Amino acid sequence: GENVEQHPSTLSVQEGDSAVIKCTYSDSASNYFPWYKQELGKGPQLIIDIRSNVGEKKDQRIAVTLNKTAKHFSLHITETQPEDSAVYFCAPENYGQNFVFGPGTRLSVLP
Amino acid sequence: ETGVTQSPTHLIKTRGQQVTLRCSSQSGHNTVSWYQQALGQGPQFIFQYYREEENGRGNFPPRFSGLQFPNYSSELNVNALELDDSALYLCASTLGETQYFGPGTRLLVL
Repeated sequence: GENVEQHPSTLSVQEGDSAVIKCTYSDSASNYFPWYKQELGKGPQLIIDIRSNVGEKKDQRIAVTLNKTAKHFSLHITETQPEDSAVYFCAPENYGQNFVFGPGTRLSVLP
Repeated sequence: ETGVTQSPTHLIKTRGQQVTLRCSSQSGHNTVSWYQQALGQGPQFIFQYYREEENGRGNFPPRFSGLQFPNYSSELNVNALELDDSALYLCASTLGETQYFGPGTRLLVL
């Protein structure tokens, strides 16, 4: 089955700095790569996703980059704000299968 | 908001009991998935239903079962509760490839 890892497991940044979280996966058939944000007491919320035919996607301060050859994709957050503090999960999928989430990265944005 | 609701929000049960958790999805979302999330971990896939039929299952024993109804609601049933079943249970409805999660039900088994 799919093996998903995230690095780092925790990340602290100063407000305004950038944050990068990397997700590595094992299933070369994965073709959909979402990132979820989970705030305390809430379910995960999709924040950005990318499909296998695209190398990079950006949405305001958030971007995702994909390297299918190396089997990893990364979440980039620029100009971080305190409300970005949360746990972030990656969950690569293969045509709606392989519902395997990474272990999560706890991001803390310090004011 | 995702339009996915879950009930109850919190629940306390004792070992050996049975529990039913409920989820209401958005209209038109024919697929619903259930996840178990232990404290400090990522969600673990339990199973998925598509048009009222089980359509995939994770590494969970048969005492975890589910139902999906035509009105886009669904249930997760857990029999013979064990202490390790204490977790946040999430449901997610799917449109295309995007999953929309509910806020979860936190279950504590004593």
